[in-house]
Amino acid sequence: NAGVTQTPKFRVLKTGQSMTLLCAQDMNHEYMYWYRQDPGMGLRLIHYSVGEGTTAKGEVPDGYNVSRLKKQNFLLGLESAAPSQTSVYFCASSYFGGLSNQPQHFGDGTRLSIL
Amino acid sequence: EDQVTQSPEALRLQEGESSSLNCSYTVSGLRGLFWYRQDPGKGPEFLFTLYSAGEEKEKERLKATLTKKESFLHITAPKPEDSATYLCAVQPITSGTYKYIFGTGTRLKVLA
Repeated sequence: NAGVTQTPKFRVLKTGQSMTLLCAQDMNHEYMYWYRQDPGMGLRLIHYSVGEGTTAKGEVPDGYNVSRLKKQNFLLGLESAAPSQTSVYFCASSYFGGLSNQPQHFGDGTRLSIL
Repeated sequence: EDQVTQSPEALRLQEGESSSLNCSYTVSGLRGLFWYRQDPGKGPEFLFTLYSAGEEKEKERLKATLTKKESFLHITAPKPEDSATYLCAVQPITSGTYKYIFGTGTRLKVLA
């Protein structure tokens, strides 16, 4: 029972390099999210998806792209990494409960440093 | 503007010393309020969902309560293993079901 799995767990990039963060969930959740967590700030939403083949921008989407080709996977891409993107990235998923409230389930994060 | 504020930022307790963490929120309407526990190097772990004012939820030494403006996480007779950062998040009713607003958390340290 893995829940939400993120890979890689750690990564160091040089400015201008690109990379993709992978997220997989085995709970058959419709919604998936990418957040970043920085010291002194709450989790901030980068992009989210309400279902396979759909994506939308969150609070801080600039410099990131996402794709959700399969329901269980949500990919976050950095096209040209910048030092300001040094952060801990969390993927989450949740069940779509219509008008009802549903908790999110998180992975253990990817710690990304941009030099 | 929808907002969530948690206090205190950090809290040190002796083992067995009960206390409360606060989550104050400002939203036009509340779909749900969530408490999470986050251990160092890990992702947030879901604890409770509260739906309406007056509601209470309990799990072991933790009890969460909700009013129209704030929520409290009461920790009774804490143990060192309760040390973690506790996050609060609200889901506004006027936003899409994807939107969760997180506080910055309370770092709890319980000393043996």
